[in-house]
Amino acid sequence: ETGVTQSPTHLIKTRGQQVTLRCSSQSGHNTVSWYQQALGQGPQFIFQYYREEENGRGNFPPRFSGLQFPNYSSELNVNALELDDSALYLCASSLGSSGGRQETQYFGPGTRLLVL
Amino acid sequence: QQQVKQSPQSLIVQKGGISIINCAYENTAFDYFPWYQQFPGKGPALLIAIRPDVSEKKEGRFTISFNKSAKQFSLHIMDSQPGDSATYFCAASKGNNFNKFYFGSGTKLNVKP
Repeated sequence: ETGVTQSPTHLIKTRGQQVTLRCSSQSGHNTVSWYQQALGQGPQFIFQYYREEENGRGNFPPRFSGLQFPNYSSELNVNALELDDSALYLCASSLGSSGGRQETQYFGPGTRLLVL
Repeated sequence: QQQVKQSPQSLIVQKGGISIINCAYENTAFDYFPWYQQFPGKGPALLIAIRPDVSEKKEGRFTISFNKSAKQFSLHIMDSQPGDSATYFCAASKGNNFNKFYFGSGTKLNVKP
């Protein structure tokens, strides 16, 4: 049991709508990373938050945004949804330090988003 | 551009056999290579990881072989069991102060009883 939880488990939206996905990190972890996993593909890095600040971003447009809260839980927001945004969204938590690296990431079960 | 290429896409192995999954990378700055196991409806779980200063790492039935000059690494599952049936992902990251993992496209392993 990794301890990372995500909500909701499934979500259906229509094109143009906005969505917010939530992640509770494992106890003691201060870093959260978000990934998009399209069907039959490996996860693609969206961004990472360390101590409430964005700490790196992948090749995703600005309509993908996030937040990390003082308790280190996190949200992923996607505006102006497109059909290609349909995917499994994974959150991973880890323990990091300033200037250091995080290695062992523990993934949550994901939120499956379907955009119609 | 795919940073990490994984093969095969799917693999069928008999119980007790050896499962071998291969990955190749281009970026020589990568310095951490984990393998993840993912069951349906679950997130990926870290299985085993290696750094390029060693050529092999073994944990139980799982072994990573690493060839730095060829920029390739592979996962060997010895004595494969039906419970090993899952999708396996290789990944790579480089030593920045954050970890952006590049994942392979996955291998779906089916171990026949």
